[in-house]
Amino acid sequence: NAGVTQTPKFRVLKTGQSMTLLCAQDMNHEYMYWYRQDPGMGLRLIHYSVGEGTTAKGEVPDGYNVSRLKKQNFLLGLESAAPSQTSVYFCASSYPQGYEQYFGPGTRLTVT
Amino acid sequence: AQKITQTQPGMFVQEKEAVTLDCTYDTSDPSYGLFWYKQPSSGEMIFLIYQGSYDQQNATEGRYSLNFQKARKSANLVISASQLGDSAMYFCAGNKLTFGGGTRVLVKP
Repeated sequence: NAGVTQTPKFRVLKTGQSMTLLCAQDMNHEYMYWYRQDPGMGLRLIHYSVGEGTTAKGEVPDGYNVSRLKKQNFLLGLESAAPSQTSVYFCASSYPQGYEQYFGPGTRLTVT
Repeated sequence: AQKITQTQPGMFVQEKEAVTLDCTYDTSDPSYGLFWYKQPSSGEMIFLIYQGSYDQQNATEGRYSLNFQKARKSANLVISASQLGDSAMYFCAGNKLTFGGGTRVLVKP
């Protein structure tokens, strides 16, 4: 039982490049989430999904897109990376909203 | 909207002593829930404890307990008998997917 996994663990991008972060969970959770954590701060919700084929915006969605083509996977895309997107990105999953979330190990992204 | 506030950026606690981490929330929903997560220096987020607004008693999980005061809109985490491994960031979060800014705890031997 791997729980929630994230790929890659680290990435360095140049401004304007694009990339996709992959999140996978094996707990059959309906809900999945993407957060970003900036130094010394709490987590902020980027996008979330309440089921396969559905996505919704969170607190800080600008500059990101997501897709949930399969129940177990939730992808986060950056179309044109900016230095302001340098952060640690966490994926999480849960049973319906209101249950505890299970987090992945995080992806550290640096945009130069 | 749901707002979560943690006013203590950091604190020291002596090993084996108890520590209380403050969390206040602001919500207009009559039904809500509050979570506490631990983030060690290794970076992962670990669920600790949950309190629902309709729960009759304060939640407890081993050495973790919640001091839940609805009138004050506070859900403070109490860690009893602190251990060196408790040194970490602690986040309070609401069921509307909002997190507080966190409190860093450093346990001194």
